[in-house]
Amino acid sequence: NAGVTQTPKFRVLKTGQSMTLLCAQDMNHEYMYWYRQDPGMGLRLIHYSVGEGTTAKGEVPDGYNVSRLKKQNFLLGLESAAPSQTSVYFCASSSREVGEQFFGPGTRLTVL
Amino acid sequence: GIQVEQSPPDLILQEGANSTLRCNFSDSVNNLQWFHQNPWGQLINLFYIPSGTKQNGRLSATTVATERYSLLYISSSQTTDSGVYFCAVGLSTGANSKLTFGKGITLSVRP
Repeated sequence: NAGVTQTPKFRVLKTGQSMTLLCAQDMNHEYMYWYRQDPGMGLRLIHYSVGEGTTAKGEVPDGYNVSRLKKQNFLLGLESAAPSQTSVYFCASSSREVGEQFFGPGTRLTVL
Repeated sequence: GIQVEQSPPDLILQEGANSTLRCNFSDSVNNLQWFHQNPWGQLINLFYIPSGTKQNGRLSATTVATERYSLLYISSSQTTDSGVYFCAVGLSTGANSKLTFGKGITLSVRP
């Protein structure tokens, strides 16, 4: 039982490049979330999903897209990376019955 | 949106000391979690505690939902307790169970 996993762990991009971050959970959770963490701040919600095929915007959605084609996976895409997107990205999941969220190990992204 | 304030922002303890970390929030919540972010960046679930009191070893937490605050107690602190402690709250446990995080409390436990 791996919980929540994220791929990759580290990535460096140049401005304008694109990439996709993958989140996978094996707890059969309905809800999944993407957050970003910037220095000296708590986590802020980017996008979330309440089920396969559905997504919704969070607090800071601009510049990101997401997809939830399978229940266990939640993808976060950056179409044209900007230096302001340099951050640590965390994925989380929770069940429909209990709101407790479980987090992945994070992806450290640097955009030059 | 809901506001979450944590205090104190920084805390330095001698190993073996006790401490209390506070989380205030601006609205009624149905979801409250405490996390420890260790020096490697990993977020560890400490408590899921929208109300009441829970204990886990040297750690305990109390949430008084009607007064909109939660407290995390650390007793007999150890150097491994160092890191950042986050409180996060949500208005719902259902479809809108997205969390709003405080800015965190940085704890340093010295040997």
